[in-house]
Amino acid sequence: DAGVIQSPRHEVTEMGQEVTLRCKPISGHDYLFWYRQTMMRGLELLIYFNNNVPIDDSGMPEDRFSAKMPNASFSTLKIQPSEPRDSAVYFCASRSGSLGDTQYFGPGTRLTVL
Amino acid sequence: AQSVAQPEDQVNVAEGNPLTVKCTYSVSGNPYLFWYVQYPNRGLQFLLKYITGDNLVKGSYGFEAEFNKSQTSFHLKKPSALVSDSALYFCAVREIGNTPLVFGKGTRLSVIA
Repeated sequence: DAGVIQSPRHEVTEMGQEVTLRCKPISGHDYLFWYRQTMMRGLELLIYFNNNVPIDDSGMPEDRFSAKMPNASFSTLKIQPSEPRDSAVYFCASRSGSLGDTQYFGPGTRLTVL
Repeated sequence: AQSVAQPEDQVNVAEGNPLTVKCTYSVSGNPYLFWYVQYPNRGLQFLLKYITGDNLVKGSYGFEAEFNKSQTSFHLKKPSALVSDSALYFCAVREIGNTPLVFGKGTRLSVIA
C-alpha cells in the first residue's frame, strides 16, 4: 500500500493567493482527517470526514479555510485568501471504521505564505 | 472530554541507557491509546497502540508501553536508547467509539552519544 499521499509537499505562495492542498487516503479507509502543525500551537485537528461527509469542522480556523471530499479517494483543503499566519505543515490522515484501528498520516505539505 | 498530557517538553538520555517518555490521559470510558514518532520534516509514524488485553504493548523499533488504568498512564519505554531514536514523540487517546484521536503536545527526545 502506498500509504496516505499528499501533494504538493512544499508550497510557497504570496499573501492573498488561493492555496489548495490535496490528499489521497489509504484505500478502504472510511475516515479522513486534516491537521495543522505549528511550533506555537502544536498539532491541531481542523476537520474530519466519515464516508466523504464532513463530521466536525470546528477546528477550521476561519471562513477562509474550506475542505471537501468529493469521493472516497480524494480530499482537498483550500485556503482563500491565504495569509502569512497560515504558514504551517498540513497533514492528512486516514483510518478504517473498525474500532481501535490505527490512524495513518501522510508526509505533510509545508506551506509558506509570504 | 478526552485529553492527553505529556508533562515533559524535552527528555535527554545517553545512548545505551533506558528511556521513558511519559503520558497521562483522561477519558470518560475505556481508552484506545497510541504512540507516534515524528522525525524531522516527516509525517507522524505509528509506533504502538493499546486497545485491550495485555497491559504491556510492544511496538516498532524496540519500543514498548505499559497501560496503567489506575494511574491513567501510558508511558513509552525502551531498554537501550539509540541516537537514531532522537525525534518528537506524541501520545494520543481515543474513547471507544469513532471519535477523533486527541494528541498530546509532544515530547522531544534527544539521545546523546
